[in-house]
Amino acid sequence: GESVGLHLPTLSVQEGDNSIINCAYSNSASDYFIWYKQESGKGPQFIIDIRSNMDKRQGQRVTVLLNKTVKHLSLQIAATQPGDSAVYFCAERRRGSTLGRLYFGRGTQLTVWP
Amino acid sequence: DVKVTQSSRYLVKRTGEKVFLECVQDMDHENMFWYRQDPGLGLRLIYFSYDVKMKEKGDIPEGYSVSREKKERFSLILESASTNQTSMYLCASSLLKSTDTQYFGPGTRLTVL
Repeated sequence: GESVGLHLPTLSVQEGDNSIINCAYSNSASDYFIWYKQESGKGPQFIIDIRSNMDKRQGQRVTVLLNKTVKHLSLQIAATQPGDSAVYFCAERRRGSTLGRLYFGRGTQLTVWP
Repeated sequence: DVKVTQSSRYLVKRTGEKVFLECVQDMDHENMFWYRQDPGLGLRLIYFSYDVKMKEKGDIPEGYSVSREKKERFSLILESASTNQTSMYLCASSLLKSTDTQYFGPGTRLTVL
């Protein structure tokens, strides 16, 4: 069935390197995407979002790229820090679904080592 | 900042008990959601509500019910808790508009013995 999914369940990077977390989606009607960060023992926190009429959006140290042709979303974290260690989720809103509902991927565990 | 609070961080209950999980948001959001989170399965939607006294089933509503008597409060009820309901429960809220960013509470870790 259709789903939001992630290519890699875990990612390990060295402090200072850039991280890239990927997400694939299969619903061509998806028009809005969000990345969340979940630290151990906490609820998911909003990081950045992007609408389907955009290809790229930048925040503080984070960039989200959207490739609608191949239905792929990525989160890039520049100069990764130990505090970035967390599980990262992508979520999508599907046009036509009940207003407000999001569909979440399973998450990628990012580990930053010194 | 949006604040979503959940009544308990950790809860231990026995099989067959009735369990109430409470969620409160302070940003006048119309939408509220209950998810459960299990390792390897991500976030699964149990129920959501877009207005007071309104509710809709998510993907896994069996064994759960909800109550929304006030706009700021959304309760999840386990009528008769079972061990397979041991999980992390997350509440979220959002505005009723096209930008559907959901804001999450800290979660309740429920253990059913």
